[in-house]
Amino acid sequence: QVQLQESGPGLVKSSETLSLTCAVSGYSISSGYFWGWIRQPPGKGLEWIGNIYHSGSTYYNPSLKSRVTISVDTSKSQFSLKLSSVTAADTAVYYCARHKGSAYTHPFDYWGQGALVTVSS
Amino acid sequence: DIVMTQSPDSLAVSLGERATINCKSSQSVFYSSNNNNYLAWYQQRPGQPPKLLIYWASTRESGVPDRFSGSGSGTDFTLTISSLQAEDVAVYYCQQYYNIPLTFGGGTKVEIK
Repeated sequence: QVQLQESGPGLVKSSETLSLTCAVSGYSISSGYFWGWIRQPPGKGLEWIGNIYHSGSTYYNPSLKSRVTISVDTSKSQFSLKLSSVTAADTAVYYCARHKGSAYTHPFDYWGQGALVTVSS
Repeated sequence: DIVMTQSPDSLAVSLGERATINCKSSQSVFYSSNNNNYLAWYQQRPGQPPKLLIYWASTRESGVPDRFSGSGSGTDFTLTISSLQAEDVAVYYCQQYYNIPLTFGGGTKVEIK
């Protein structure tokens, strides 16, 4: 059974960098599939942030591209998100998820439980 | 960007009755070379992550009850719950995975009447 678990600080100061890690168990990241980050502001809808392949190939949402970095560590079976220069608008539940295939042209079939990150002034 | 527009924003349906949710994309998400619509539906219960229900517009994910069905092609899609159960109270989202950026609809909240 594939499981994903987000971890990282729940509170980040405005203008600083948000950092989250997604630990994957039950499946080896290096075996394939794309892995992604999605966020959801409180009471609002879902926004795709970006994704990564085990090779390190990435795709980012153009609306966030200048501030986002996604990386992968296959030896630890985890991938990470960094979002710089955060503001209150970045307050959200951040989910990591797996694409149902070895391309981003597949839906997300496994999701983490989500990590609430609050940006404080 | 492909904009996904869902309707209605919310609906209340009696137990055992049919619920219908619509999703319209601003451009076609149909890829003729493989005859697939790059459209998925998710269910999100309160306090939970989204759960994949339907992909390729009409393929039910393993373990999803057969009262959930998806239809449509090109730019217009529908999620139908044939007989609403109490556990179906949730927000439902459509998503296109045809191109980058991946985008979601705004969500439809389903409640019991």
